[in-house]
Amino acid sequence: GQQLNQSPQSMFIQEGEDVSMNCTSSSIFNTWLWYKQDPGEGPVLLIALYKAGELTSNGRLTAQFGITRKDSFLNISASIPSDVGIYFCAGNLNSGGYQKVTFGTGTKLQVIP
Amino acid sequence: DGGITQSPKYLFRKEGQNVTLSCEQNLNHDAMYWYRQDPGQGLRLIYYSHIVNDFQKGDIAEGYSVSREKKESFPLTVTSAQKNPTAFYLCASSTGQGGSEQFFGPGTRLTVL
Repeated sequence: GQQLNQSPQSMFIQEGEDVSMNCTSSSIFNTWLWYKQDPGEGPVLLIALYKAGELTSNGRLTAQFGITRKDSFLNISASIPSDVGIYFCAGNLNSGGYQKVTFGTGTKLQVIP
Repeated sequence: DGGITQSPKYLFRKEGQNVTLSCEQNLNHDAMYWYRQDPGQGLRLIYYSHIVNDFQKGDIAEGYSVSREKKESFPLTVTSAQKNPTAFYLCASSTGQGGSEQFFGPGTRLTVL
């Protein structure tokens, strides 16, 4: 099955720094989703984007739905230690009235206090 | 509290035994999904169901079976035919309509000895 190209694969940052990660695809999507997964837990939905060009914030997180509908980025401002985890993007395409979700390969974020 | 529960959190089985993982949701969602996650990897779709008594194979269905007799429940059986069953298994649900978000359970870590 297809997976989205997500980058970077991993990153180490200093506490307080801003973080940026993105997802690209050769296919268009109707919805972009960003999840965070803590070790040994299920992914938790952070932000959902529904329209091309949409820019949405959730606290220190900001995500955008690319104009071409083939990409999305997630920014985290002023990182803190609890931001550590794996961040997944997901593209959702309405296929025959049902959704088909494709997940990215994940960005592993480590924050150095 | 509405949500998705998976049990047990950790499961150990001997090679050659079938094992069933539980997934229950009280979100009144029509659609349910099973994913497999290997260390450092993204999510791969095993099976999904958009409605009771109907389910479809995902990208890696071989060696797995499911049932959807009730809207709230979508158990996954890992059979002895699955060559490499040790993994982290995640269940998710959504309203199933185009563009809707998937919400995940806490996961079950299966180890086959």
